Amino acid sequence: GQNIDQPTEMTATEGAIVQINCTYQTSGFNGLFWYQQHAGEAPTFLSYNVLDGLEEKGRFSSFLSRSKGYSYLLLKELQMKDSASYLCAVRDRGYQLTFGKGTKLSVIP
Amino acid sequence: KAGVTQTPRYLIKTRGQQVTLSCSPISGHRSVSWYQQTPGQGLQFLFEYFSETQRNKGNFPGRFSGRQFSNSRSEMNVSTLELGDSALYLCASSEPGLAGGNTGELFFGEGSRLTVL
Repeated sequence: GQNIDQPTEMTATEGAIVQINCTYQTSGFNGLFWYQQHAGEAPTFLSYNVLDGLEEKGRFSSFLSRSKGYSYLLLKELQMKDSASYLCAVRDRGYQLTFGKGTKLSVIP
Repeated sequence: KAGVTQTPRYLIKTRGQQVTLSCSPISGHRSVSWYQQTPGQGLQFLFEYFSETQRNKGNFPGRFSGRQFSNSRSEMNVSTLELGDSALYLCASSEPGLAGGNTGELFFGEGSRLTVL
């Protein structure tokens, strides 16, 4: 089975940097994913980590430490449109993708 | 390319009834996954199909079932509906990965919002 933990809510200021943490426990790790979900919309894929380290994609970066069961999503130069829920998801060796409950990020002026 | 299409978008049922939800994946995608989303539990995995075979199944009772057709379209069925089944049901498709199944990059439909009265 898998257990994924991430903060329920976070608030940050426009233009700032925010880090959303995710810890997980899994019986067989095969990749960690981050998704963004705006209110009333479907989730959309943001990033993928399978090896330790940082993956950068524009204003968004994702980090993974497999030994610690830990990942974070870093959002730079926050914009109002970044207000959304951010979902951490872990894939196991059977290719089942399990999502955390999500972190609701509010960006304030 | 058209996105993932789910029908119906909204439906209301009463306890004890059954419901069938439909999902048409993106053309070329052979993996289809279903998730239930509620405010309290978030996205919970129901099942995944690949080439008409169920590859994975989540921890839901047997009242929840699904299938995939040869054209990759998928349906899920919930029988004997309960009030707690009220949720947004999301379907997601993916290109096939190296070992089959999904790549992890899922493309979600807009969902079917089920209300059970």
